[in-house]
Amino acid sequence: KAGVTQTPRYLIKTRGQQVTLSCSPISGHRSVSWYQQTPGQGLQFLFEYFSETQRNKGNFPGRFSGRQFSNSRSEMNVSTLELGDSALYLCASSYGVTDTQYFGPGTRLTVL
Amino acid sequence: AQKVTQAQTEISVVEKEDVTLDCVYETRDTTYYLFWYKQPPSGELVFLIRRNSFDEQNEISGRYSWNFQKSTSSFNFTITASQVVDSAVYFCALAKVLTGGGNKLTFGTGTQLKVEL
Repeated sequence: KAGVTQTPRYLIKTRGQQVTLSCSPISGHRSVSWYQQTPGQGLQFLFEYFSETQRNKGNFPGRFSGRQFSNSRSEMNVSTLELGDSALYLCASSYGVTDTQYFGPGTRLTVL
Repeated sequence: AQKVTQAQTEISVVEKEDVTLDCVYETRDTTYYLFWYKQPPSGELVFLIRRNSFDEQNEISGRYSWNFQKSTSSFNFTITASQVVDSAVYFCALAKVLTGGGNKLTFGTGTQLKVEL
């Protein structure tokens, strides 16, 4: 099976812009989670989607949003970018509630 | 609240040495799941192992072994006869099953392992 894929791999944006990141889960996986990784805060949970519904959300401002499509593909959006949003954004997919999360290669976002 | 502590920020060893990466966790849940992931320089988190809270059996997979002890809330990872390819950041993580369904991973801060020739 193909693994989790994320596009694009690298992005450079300027403050105030918005960005959309995409994630395609492993075939058959219905749950998609997003994490932010920064040197200062480490790996932090953003949100999780299952069957096109956001089930859980981490402690991030409303500028961070996401959605999931009927084919389980997911997108996350960050509006009004700030310098502190520079990070590696990782997507993970799993089959069910308690199953292992498998991660994609990440999207490295740089905000100038 | 859940917490994972990896006290070792960086470990350097010479190839063929054995190395143990420590992980201590805190949770009030009776059912939880523990994981180790490897992050090479490319950035992708690679799944290594998963342990359920009700299964304290230790596991060995090739040069890797894991020691899960609920009494001390620890889930340590040992690499035997380390190799240069083992150089990476290793993360211990704790999964909590959420009331809305799904689970959320809480990660430790990671241990950078450097294996030199």
